[in-house]
Amino acid sequence: DAGVTQSPTHLIKTRGQQVTLRCSPISGHKSVSWYQQVLGQGPQFIFQYYEKEERGRGNFPDRFSARQFPNYSSELNVNALLLGDSALYLCASSSGTGYNEQFFGPGTRLTVL
Amino acid sequence: QKEVEQDPGPLSVPEGAIVSLNCTYSNSAFQYFMWYRQYSRKGPELLMYTYSSGNKEDGRFTAQVDKSSKYISLFIRDSQPSDSATYLCAMSGNNAGNMLTFGGGTRLMVKP
Repeated sequence: DAGVTQSPTHLIKTRGQQVTLRCSPISGHKSVSWYQQVLGQGPQFIFQYYEKEERGRGNFPDRFSARQFPNYSSELNVNALLLGDSALYLCASSSGTGYNEQFFGPGTRLTVL
Repeated sequence: QKEVEQDPGPLSVPEGAIVSLNCTYSNSAFQYFMWYRQYSRKGPELLMYTYSSGNKEDGRFTAQVDKSSKYISLFIRDSQPSDSATYLCAMSGNNAGNMLTFGGGTRLMVKP
C-alpha cells in the first residue's frame, strides 16, 4: 500500500512569493493534517481537514491556508513568503475515526531566499 | 514554557545498550501519546501509540505513560546503529486525529 505522498520534494522561493504544497493521503483515510517543522525543532500543527471541512487550525497567520478535495487530497498555500517560512512541511494522514493514528509523508522542504 | 519538553541530546550509546528517552508535559488534557522516529531529512515514522496511562511493548520498544507525573518514556532494548535518529514524542487530547503537540525531539546516536 502506498503511504502518504507529498509534492514537490523541495522548492526554493523568494520573499513575497506564493507557494502551493500538495498531499495525497493513504487510501481510505479521510483526514489530512499539515505541520511545519523548522530545522532542529519538533513539528508544529498548522491545519487539519476531515471530509473537506476544516477541523482545526494552529497558531499561524492568515497567509497560511489549506483545502481538501473530494478525493481527500489536500493543498497548503502560503502567501507573501517570509524568510522564517523556510521549513519542512509535513502532511499527516489519518482515518478520521477509531484510534486515528496519524501517519506522515516525507515532507516538502521549502527554502525562502 | 513549552507544553511538551524533551531533552534535545544528542544521546550517544554503544550498540546493544538499553536506551531511555523521556518527555514531560504540562497539559492534563492529553490522553493519547505517541513516539515517532525521524531520520535526517525524512518524515516522522510512527513507532508506538498508547492511550492514557500504562505500558505498551512492541518488539525491542516499550512505551510507558505516567499521567500522574505527566511523564512518558520510550525504552529501546538491544539498540542498533540503525536506531540512530531523532525521536519525537507527540500528544493529543480527546482524539488522536486531532492536533498533535510535539516535543522538540531527542537525537540518538548508537555507535557500533
